[in-house]
Amino acid sequence: AQKVTQAQTEISVVEKEDVTLDCVYETRDTTYYLFWYKQPPSGELVFLIRRNSFDEQNEISGRYSWNFQKSTSSFNFTITASQVVDSAVYFCALSGIRGSARQLTFGSGTQLTVLP
Amino acid sequence: ETGVTQTPRHLVMGMTNKKSLKCEQHLGHNAMYWYKQSAKKPLELMFVYNFKEQTENNSVPSRFSPECPNSSHLFLHLHTLQPEDSALYLCASSQTTSGLNEQFFGPGTRLTVL
Repeated sequence: AQKVTQAQTEISVVEKEDVTLDCVYETRDTTYYLFWYKQPPSGELVFLIRRNSFDEQNEISGRYSWNFQKSTSSFNFTITASQVVDSAVYFCALSGIRGSARQLTFGSGTQLTVLP
Repeated sequence: ETGVTQTPRHLVMGMTNKKSLKCEQHLGHNAMYWYKQSAKKPLELMFVYNFKEQTENNSVPSRFSPECPNSSHLFLHLHTLQPEDSALYLCASSQTTSGLNEQFFGPGTRLTVL
C-alpha cells in the first residue's frame, strides 16, 4: 500500500521568509513517481513538479526547490523569499507503475499562509 | 488555463434531486478522473476512465454514476445524495493512466446537499 504523510497541517510565514513543506512517503515499489501540486483558493490543483524514484537530483525552479532523499523517503518543498501569492494548500502525491498503484495517492495537504 | 473545464462551478441540491456534473478536457488526453475533496480529508479518487472505459471504481456508492462518452468528456450523474456528499468534486485528465503522467485538474464543482 502507498501512503503520503504531510505532517504540517498549517504554516504561516511573513512575506520574504523561506518556508519548507515536508512530505514523507511509503511504498513497496522500487519505481515510483512523486509530485507536488498547489491548490489556490480558486480550487484547481496546479501541477508543480514530478520526480521519478531513480532521479535524486535536487531541482530548483525560480523560488521553488525540491529535495528528494530516498534514504529518508522524503520529498520536501522549499519556497524561498515567500510571497503573498504563494498562499495556498500544497499537496504531495505518489504513484507507482502497477495496477491501482498507478493512481495518485495524495497527502492531506499543507495550508500555507504568507502574511504581508 | 489548465485545459480542463468543469460546470457548474457551484451546485446546491436537495436530497431528492437529480443533477449532473460535466467535465471537458482540451488537452488530447486519454484518461480522465473524478475526485472528491472533503474538508480536512485527502483527495479521494472516485473513478478512472481510460480511452472511455472505466478502469477504477473505488467503492463509490451507486448514487454517483459516471459517464464517459468520449475521451474529452466526463460526467458525474448525481441522484438521492446525502448531506455528507457535500464536497468539492474535481475532474482531472492525463495522457494515459500510467503513474508517470501528471494529472491536470479542473477548477472543481462545489456541491452542497441540503
